[in-house]
Amino acid sequence: DIQMTQSPSTVSASVGDRVTITCRASQSLSRWLAWYQQKPGKAPKLLIYKASSLESGVPSRFSGSGSGTEFTLTISSLQPDDFATYYCQQYNSYPYTFGQGTKLEIK
Amino acid sequence: EVQLVESGGGLVKPGGSLRLSCAASGFTFSSYSMNWVRQAPGKGLEWVSSISSSSSDIYYADSVKGRFTISRDNAKNSLYLQMNSLRAEDTAVYYCASGGHIDYWGQGTLVTVSS
Repeated sequence: DIQMTQSPSTVSASVGDRVTITCRASQSLSRWLAWYQQKPGKAPKLLIYKASSLESGVPSRFSGSGSGTEFTLTISSLQPDDFATYYCQQYNSYPYTFGQGTKLEIK
Repeated sequence: EVQLVESGGGLVKPGGSLRLSCAASGFTFSSYSMNWVRQAPGKGLEWVSSISSSSSDIYYADSVKGRFTISRDNAKNSLYLQMNSLRAEDTAVYYCASGGHIDYWGQGTLVTVSS
């Protein structure tokens, strides 16, 4: 099984800050990686697919990069609505696996 | 508008069974692979099972293999998860979700396994 490791587990930041979250895979995914945002009590929301493709309707301050085993999600200028938990997910092979999540908190 | 609406969750005793259903609308259900993803209280996301568009390919997480069965009815735009031999650790919100990168999610249905 492919293990996904996100870092950091928690990040404290302020509105306007640039934030980067990293996801590392235990083996190559090519570019079959997605990023999701989840708010308390809600279903996750797709932000990025195929490592760097922005889902329709997602603000352009979100961007993804990487390939192989190392990937990043960057939020260029944090907005109040962005404070949430973020997950990466590999869909290169079954079983699909998620990272453990990164909680983005207000500093 | 795309909708995935789960039903069938509830409280069940250890060893019991439940059948979850997911009604899909607003997209071509028969063209999509579908998944069940769960989230235990206060925990992260865990993929449970996937089924291809034609039901020809089915996959399970090791944690549910042999106990859970995924199925679909494309004529009814519906996805199912039969859960047998339930354990306390199966307690979670279960989401119906579409695709490899999951673009559509249901609102989730809570399954609680407790005596």
